Amino acid sequence: AQSVSQHNHHVILSEAASLELGCNYSYGGTVNLFWYVQYPGQHLQLLLKYFSGDPLVKGIKGFEAEFIKSKFSFNLRKPSVQWSDTAEYFCAVNADGNNRKLIWGLGTSLAVNP
Amino acid sequence: KAGVTQTPRYLIKTRGQQVTLSCSPISGHRSVSWYQQTPGQGLQFLFEYFSETQRNKGNFPGRFSGRQFSNSRSEMNVSTLELGDSALYLCASSLRQGGNSPLHFGNGTRLTVT
Repeated sequence: AQSVSQHNHHVILSEAASLELGCNYSYGGTVNLFWYVQYPGQHLQLLLKYFSGDPLVKGIKGFEAEFIKSKFSFNLRKPSVQWSDTAEYFCAVNADGNNRKLIWGLGTSLAVNP
Repeated sequence: KAGVTQTPRYLIKTRGQQVTLSCSPISGHRSVSWYQQTPGQGLQFLFEYFSETQRNKGNFPGRFSGRQFSNSRSEMNVSTLELGDSALYLCASSLRQGGNSPLHFGNGTRLTVT
């Protein structure tokens, strides 16, 4: 069965530190990839997505993610985090052989200290 | 534009009872998906409705059911509640059917089964 792994469950950073959150999936075919974010007290919202084309995609608030097909990865990055980036981050994958159901990672909780 | 509205926000039920949760999608969105979120399992897909028809279903028992009305509003029902059904139930709407259309989530209904 397809699965999505987010390696870091809890990450604590200081402001201005660089961020990289890992996301790996298990599916060899065509995939569409998403990162969603949930800020404290708010609903889940789309951060960025990759369907095709340039494997480096940019999202809101300075986030970007790189799709590396050979590594089955879609890691999320931000060069310099802010306190307001404190949130839970979810990676999700839609594989073409999966009846169009999104498969979600368990999420990574990011705390940024001011 | 109003976001996705879920009611009620909180519910406390006892084992064996049944519960109905409601979701009003963003105006113009015809797809409504339901998810169960727990700390250990993350986001688990329940089902998706589009144009009043269930288009996709996750791996949940038949106690979990749903429906969608002509105005795209959706309800989810859980019968014969079990302690393990305690979770945050999220509804998400999107313009198009399937997992590739960005999802817009509500704030969820927190169900506690005692």
